[in-house]
Amino acid sequence: DAGVTQSPTHLIKTRGQQVTLRCSPKSGHDTVSWYQQALGQGPQFIFQYYEEEERQRGNFPDRFSGHQFPNYSSELNVNALLLGDSALYLCASSLQPSGNTIYFGEGSWLTVV
Amino acid sequence: SQQGEEDPQALSIQEGENATMNCSYKTSINNLQWYRQNSGRGLVHLILIRSNEREKHSGRLRVTLDTSKKSSSLLITASRAADTASYFCATGLSGNTPLVFGKGTRLSVIA
Repeated sequence: DAGVTQSPTHLIKTRGQQVTLRCSPKSGHDTVSWYQQALGQGPQFIFQYYEEEERQRGNFPDRFSGHQFPNYSSELNVNALLLGDSALYLCASSLQPSGNTIYFGEGSWLTVV
Repeated sequence: SQQGEEDPQALSIQEGENATMNCSYKTSINNLQWYRQNSGRGLVHLILIRSNEREKHSGRLRVTLDTSKKSSSLLITASRAADTASYFCATGLSGNTPLVFGKGTRLSVIA
């Protein structure tokens, strides 16, 4: 039973560029959320996708966007990268956005230079 | 602002000792989940405790929840060097709201 998988694991981008991160949820899960974790901090909620729609959004600018596909996988896109976007981006999945256990992937380390 | 706050921020113990980490939160919650994170890695789910539960066990882990005090504790018994990690509590404010994390407790278990 595959857990939450994310790609790529590490990447380096230049300020102003765009990046796409990918996530496959745990088998049987239909809800995907994305979190940003800066060094030394706890994860911060970016947004949640369910039934291919953005259901909830945290306090992040419109430069952060996402998508969920019919197979429940998801992408996180960040445009016009800033140095402050350097962080670990975590994908989490659950069965419906209903207070069930939420499982996380290993994350994608993004460095913006 | 972050809902959960873990205490202490850092904890160093000898192998075999028990480790206790506390989490306080500000508003009513639906559930509280504890996670472990090894350096630079993803979050590993440890235990979910719902607002109508007071205590849960999983192996060497014991979690308590006191909704009147808006606090939770994670006890790791007979700690091992492999328990060295950061531990986070995350609160779910209602059934479908996202988790809100604290800054975590960094646990070091010295062999």
